[in-house]
Amino acid sequence: DAGVTQSPTHLIKTRGQQVTLRCSPKSGHDTVSWYQQALGQGPQFIFQYYEEEERQRGNFPDRFSGHQFPNYSSELNVNALLLGDSALYLCASGTREDYGYTFGSGTRLTVV
Amino acid sequence: GNSVTQMEGPVTLSEEAFLTINCTYTATGYPSLFWYVQYPGEGLQLLLKATKADDKGSNKGFEATYRKETTSFHLEKGSVQVSDSAVYFCALTPKPSGYSTLTFGKGTMLLVSP
Repeated sequence: DAGVTQSPTHLIKTRGQQVTLRCSPKSGHDTVSWYQQALGQGPQFIFQYYEEEERQRGNFPDRFSGHQFPNYSSELNVNALLLGDSALYLCASGTREDYGYTFGSGTRLTVV
Repeated sequence: GNSVTQMEGPVTLSEEAFLTINCTYTATGYPSLFWYVQYPGEGLQLLLKATKADDKGSNKGFEATYRKETTSFHLEKGSVQVSDSAVYFCALTPKPSGYSTLTFGKGTMLLVSP
């Protein structure tokens, strides 16, 4: 049973560029959330998707955007990258009835 | 707003020692509480959870009891192993909510030596 799959695992981008990260949720899950984990910190909630709509959003600028597809997979897009966007980006999937989430292994983004 | 406070690490123990990692929270209502573990280079794994006051979550020898009167959810293990070395995160999610999100603490690194 495949869990949450994220791609790519590592990524290096230049300041000002744009990046797209991808996530496939665990089978049976229909909700996808994205978290940003800076080095030495706990994950911070970016946004959550359900039924292809953004349902909740954390305190992140509009440079962070996302999408959920009919097969429940999701993308996270970040425009105009800043050095401070360097972090581990985690995708978590779940269902509306389940308070626990399954996390992927993350995408390590480095902005230089 | 919601917040989680964990004891700062690293916590350094010898194998077979007793472990306690403190966690307190601030939240409105009756949140659900979680402990997640992150091994080096990996994502987060759910270790245990408790969804109401006085519940005890347990898994792999780890335990935590939801204490509403002290707003705490301390993680304990009677005898740690080297393989328990990881970063542990306490987290909460509000309830009831159909779109619950997790609020995490900053994490506590555990280092267990042979």
